[in-house]
Amino acid sequence: EPEVTQTPSHQVTQMGQEVILRCVPISNHLYFYWYRQILGQKVEFLVSFYNNEISEKSEIFDDQFSVERPDGSNFTLKIRSTKLEDSAMYFCASRETGSNTGELFFGEGSRLTVL
Amino acid sequence: AQSVTQLGSHVSVSEGALVLLRCNYSSSVPPYLFWYVQYPNQGLQLLLKYTSAATLVKGINGFEAEFKKSETSFHLTKPSAHMSDAAEYFCAVSFNQAGTALIFGKGTTLSVSS
Repeated sequence: EPEVTQTPSHQVTQMGQEVILRCVPISNHLYFYWYRQILGQKVEFLVSFYNNEISEKSEIFDDQFSVERPDGSNFTLKIRSTKLEDSAMYFCASRETGSNTGELFFGEGSRLTVL
Repeated sequence: AQSVTQLGSHVSVSEGALVLLRCNYSSSVPPYLFWYVQYPNQGLQLLLKYTSAATLVKGINGFEAEFKKSETSFHLTKPSAHMSDAAEYFCAVSFNQAGTALIFGKGTTLSVSS
């Protein structure tokens, strides 16, 4: 069964360092998303991406964050200068082309720990 | 504004007991509603979804949910809890707009005791 894959599964970094989280969405999906979940809290929407541009973003997604689809398969989230409060689980998701129901398929997540 | 409220951050039941996890939504347009489950150290797995067809929706692992427009609710139930049901459950809502994001509730942790 097709699935969304994310790497790395866990990354530890020092405050102020740049981090890139990678995702490979399901191959025929064209809508991509990043969510984050701070430990013990709700899953929060960060950004959605379609047709090589951001279609929607939340207040959390400030100038420190960026997304990119560098090739035909990868979808990345970059945090330019990490802060302690960026420590969270980051989930990538994709959505089936032509689907209007909003069902998202999630990856296993990348746990980011900022020291 | 659209939102999702999950009543009860933590629900504890005995094995074999009824599971009821509550979810209410606020929306000015017809919503699509979802329940996702998250097992420890894992990602989000879709349990079931309501997409304007039948109001009683059956999902995986014996779970079901009923969409009640008059009550703006989409509560998740399972007749008999199993130890393996212990997990975090998230209710989520989206709307009939291509590419729109899911909005999640805060989640409910289900504990099952023997």
